[in-house]
Amino acid sequence: NAGVTQTPKFQVLKTGQSMTLQCAQDMNHEYMSWYRQDPGMGLRLIHYSVGAGITDQGEVPNGYNVSRSTTEDFPLRLLSAAPSQTSVYFCASRPTGLFTEAFFGQGTRLTVV
Amino acid sequence: DAKTTQPTSMDCAEGRAANLPCNHSTISGNEYVYWYRQIHSQGPQYIIHGLKNNETNEMASLIITEDRKSSTLILPHATLRDTAVYYCIVRVAGANSKLTFGKGITLSVRP
Repeated sequence: NAGVTQTPKFQVLKTGQSMTLQCAQDMNHEYMSWYRQDPGMGLRLIHYSVGAGITDQGEVPNGYNVSRSTTEDFPLRLLSAAPSQTSVYFCASRPTGLFTEAFFGQGTRLTVV
Repeated sequence: DAKTTQPTSMDCAEGRAANLPCNHSTISGNEYVYWYRQIHSQGPQYIIHGLKNNETNEMASLIITEDRKSSTLILPHATLRDTAVYYCIVRVAGANSKLTFGKGITLSVRP
């Protein structure tokens, strides 16, 4: 049971480049989400999904796109990277019950130069 | 979701109990108190949650005051591996409710 797997672990992008951060979970969780964490800050919600085919915006969605074609995968796309998107990104998943705990991946450290 | 207030940091000696406070004075009747922690550079990890009764699991105990306006997370015998940022989160019980993280409290366990 791998849990929540994020790839890559580290990435350096040039301004204007695009890329996709991958997130996969093998626990059959319906709810998945993406957070970013900047130095000295808590985690801020970017986008989330309550099931395949359903996504919604979180607190800081600008500059990011998501899709959810399968239960297992929830990729985060940066269409045109900006230095302000330099951050650590965490993906999380959980069942959609009332009192469920969230499981987090180990993070992707992204630097945009 | 109600806002939470935590001290910025605290420390405790290894082997002693660590008591981490959290204020949530605007908590609603249908909101639960959750605690997560984040060890350096890792993803957050669930610890415990509760509504109004005290809760205990293998990691920690959660004490919620009778008026539910504050709570305390207790690590009974802190170890060096418990050094982390601890987040107190108030969340509505619901299938689609979101986790909103504040800045948390940094616990440093000293040898």
